[in-house]
Amino acid sequence: AQSVTQLDSQVPVFEEAPVELRCNYSSSVSVYLFWYVQYPNQGLQLLLKYLSGSTLVKGINGFEAEFNKSQTSFHLRKPSVHISDTAEYFCAVSDKAAGNKLTFGGGTRVLVKP
Amino acid sequence: DADVTQTPRNRITKTGKRIMLECSQTKGHDRMYWYRQDPGLGLRLIYYSFDVKDINKGEISDGYSVSRQAQAKFSLSLESAIPNQTALYFCATSDLAADEQFFGPGTRLTVL
Repeated sequence: AQSVTQLDSQVPVFEEAPVELRCNYSSSVSVYLFWYVQYPNQGLQLLLKYLSGSTLVKGINGFEAEFNKSQTSFHLRKPSVHISDTAEYFCAVSDKAAGNKLTFGGGTRVLVKP
Repeated sequence: DADVTQTPRNRITKTGKRIMLECSQTKGHDRMYWYRQDPGLGLRLIYYSFDVKDINKGEISDGYSVSRQAQAKFSLSLESAIPNQTALYFCATSDLAADEQFFGPGTRLTVL
């Protein structure tokens, strides 16, 4: 069975500062990896995904993530955050052999302060 | 128009009542999913369907049932609602070849 751990439940950060959200997963099979964002009172939308190839993945709104197979991690970064980045962020893993069902982490709430 | 819609968006009900949450999609996807979101737990899969005749339990299916009425419609029912089913419920879709899931706006359910 696969599991996803997001190490920080909340991350306060000042505007224009960098942010890193940590995600570790456990799985015995090949996986796809995702980061989703949930803005207040909205559904989830995809930020970026890793399927194969380059381990550095670039997504929307200036976010990027790096897949590290040896450390089973997929950390999300942004070099300079905006107030509008205030949201909850979810890391998810999909088991290629099981119909691409998603297993989500517990989420990290990012609060950007002026 | 939104590609994945959920009705109702908010619902307050009482313990023991039967509740149905509906999901419709215009993306033409075969695969549909129901999740519930609880603070600190992320989203957990309740049921999923790979086509109209294929329904599968997720990790937390107890107390829930589903119906796939058509490719575009997937309903979630709580036969006898209980307070610990108070949560935010999301429907999602994906197609056979894609990896990304597309989410609806969610239904906030409160069981008193």
